[in-house]
Amino acid sequence: DAGVIQSPRHEVTEMGQEVTLRCKPISGHNSLFWYRQTMMRGLELLIYFNNNVPIDDSGMPEDRFSAKMPNASFSTLKIQPSEPRDSAVYFCASRLPVDRGVVSGNTIYFGEGSWLTVV
Amino acid sequence: GNSVTQMEGPVTLSEEAFLTINCTYTATGYPSLFWYVQYPGEGLQLLLKATKADDKGSNKGFEATYRKETTSFHLEKGSVQVSDSAVYFCALISTGGGNKLTFGTGTQLKVEL
Repeated sequence: DAGVIQSPRHEVTEMGQEVTLRCKPISGHNSLFWYRQTMMRGLELLIYFNNNVPIDDSGMPEDRFSAKMPNASFSTLKIQPSEPRDSAVYFCASRLPVDRGVVSGNTIYFGEGSWLTVV
Repeated sequence: GNSVTQMEGPVTLSEEAFLTINCTYTATGYPSLFWYVQYPGEGLQLLLKATKADDKGSNKGFEATYRKETTSFHLEKGSVQVSDSAVYFCALISTGGGNKLTFGTGTQLKVEL
């Protein structure tokens, strides 16, 4: 089975440019998460969706960040305009519906990450 | 709220040494507990998990037991290899925490010959 697929794997962009990160969750998973990893702050949850609806976006740093999930198989995280302090690894993750009651259903599976550098 | 505390790294061991990485947690509801591993330049991979008290998760020679009485989920391996060098993250999910993964800060393990 294909895992969570993220693109691009690596991106270097100039300050002020728009950055769009993309994610395809595992088929059948209805929860999708965006995490950011930095040396200073570790792993931070930015936002998560259930059935394509944003449930908790309290971790989104500021208005420059936005996330969408137009359908069950695709999500984007956009930064506009980007700043050097946004440099980080951005992970997308997905999970089966918790309400199915299956024990393995609450495991979250991560993509390989998008390594963003803003110069 | 939920929180996970794990031992500071880096932890440096010789090959075939015994490994323990401590993890304790606070959580609302009944959490499920996880260890994730991140190899250099890669994403996070689920290493093992336990979903109720006294469960033992195990994988690739690693194991951890869900101890409700001490709110702990320590990771152990009897004999580490150089290939185990990575960052290890303890994490939990609880229904009281909005079904979101809460991570510890990660512990870097370096195994030397």
